[in-house]
Amino acid sequence: DTEVTQTPKHLVMGMTNKKSLKCEQHMGHRAMYWYKQKAKKPPELMFVYSYEKLSINESVPSRFSPECPNSSLLNLHLHALQPEDSALYLCASSQAGISEGKALEQYFGPGTRLTVT
Amino acid sequence: AQSVAQPEDQVNVAEGNPLTVKCTYSVSGNPYLFWYVQYPNRGLQFLLKYITGDNLVKGSYGFEAEFNKSQTSFHLKKPSALVSDSALYFCAVRETRYNFNKFYFGSGTKLNVKP
Repeated sequence: DTEVTQTPKHLVMGMTNKKSLKCEQHMGHRAMYWYKQKAKKPPELMFVYSYEKLSINESVPSRFSPECPNSSLLNLHLHALQPEDSALYLCASSQAGISEGKALEQYFGPGTRLTVT
Repeated sequence: AQSVAQPEDQVNVAEGNPLTVKCTYSVSGNPYLFWYVQYPNRGLQFLLKYITGDNLVKGSYGFEAEFNKSQTSFHLKKPSALVSDSALYFCAVRETRYNFNKFYFGSGTKLNVKP
């Protein structure tokens, strides 16, 4: 099973709202990722968790707050977003590290389409 | 730092004809290269990878890619295109020196297959 699930599929929120995006995988992957993607552009890395610890934060504004409660779950908490934050938010997972014998590709969820009004 | 480049924003091909989507890379160390496809409003779907070994790698849906070390290229190919192959294609490389869990994506190539 190479499935990454994300909820919700669509989210509309006002600039004063607080909401959360959720991601789950059961492939035993210990690296999990959040990306932001604008239309017809490549995914932009936001955060990486490795073994449930935040290992990369690509200078993301504090209105985005990631959380990794366990090895299968990844959340992205949203607060006081701006209209320019409207995008497709993608979760991905992979084996952590590049040791020999490991599958090295990422697997992506279907994304959450976020609209900030 | 690692990087990949996709020189074509768009590739147009007729159904039944062979297709090529180009990717060149710049890496320090061994190149771990990937191709992904994205249909509208969907996540990226893994197609194939080059890690080591044969320069021609085969992947999902009849796609293959040719790794060329001297030209630092990893072009995606398919012998006979289908209309359903129309999508956005991304080449990617994985970091192998420092942040091992970092992937770098090309700018993407929109493939249009016309009936």
